[in-house]
Amino acid sequence: ILNVEQSPQSLHVQEGDSTNFTCSFPSSNFYALHWYRWETAKSPEALFVMTLNGDEKKKGRISATLNTKEGYSYLYIKGSQPEDSATYLCAFLRKAGANNLFFGTGTRLTVIP
Amino acid sequence: DAGVIQSPRHEVTEMGQEVTLRCKPISGHDYLFWYRQTMMRGLELLIYFNNNVPIDDSGMPEDRFSAKMPNASFSTLKIQPSEPRDSAVYFCASSGRRTSGTYEQYFGPGTRLTVT
Repeated sequence: ILNVEQSPQSLHVQEGDSTNFTCSFPSSNFYALHWYRWETAKSPEALFVMTLNGDEKKKGRISATLNTKEGYSYLYIKGSQPEDSATYLCAFLRKAGANNLFFGTGTRLTVIP
Repeated sequence: DAGVIQSPRHEVTEMGQEVTLRCKPISGHDYLFWYRQTMMRGLELLIYFNNNVPIDDSGMPEDRFSAKMPNASFSTLKIQPSEPRDSAVYFCASSGRRTSGTYEQYFGPGTRLTVT
């Protein structure tokens, strides 16, 4: 079992605040790092997939960075809105040969209006 | 595309009964995953298939759980006999060929199972 850790476990921010959280993963045997957004009572939806060290992806107010050498990724949300409230999961994919993702336990974000 | 389809959406059953959960992956996807979501363990992988063949079932909790994929468009997860501790949301997900480059997984809406 691979160790994928996310911090913090939960986070409350005021509407309009910017925030970020961390995913750490093994730096060896790396293939890709996924971020998923999981709203309550729904199913996880892919936000980003990153494969290269230094990758930076952006979707609206949400962006993510990747450092494969040290084994971490940051997810940033600029100007949080109540609709950003969700659990954000990261998942690690090993090199060729296996296609199962190792998920972290997620960061639960609540944006207070 | 209809996305990943799961049925039923909700299942309430009594302890000892057999439960069958169903999944239809996205057409053209060759990987299918079964996950279980619990408060204690978050999202845990139970089993996954590649081209209808089970690749890794090490996450299946015990012999009461079994999964099949008879063809590329259908999979089942069966619990027999069911126990109250099996109560959870069960997700099915599918993803495309490794050569597609992203391997992101598309999740179904989940089946909420309650065993009384």
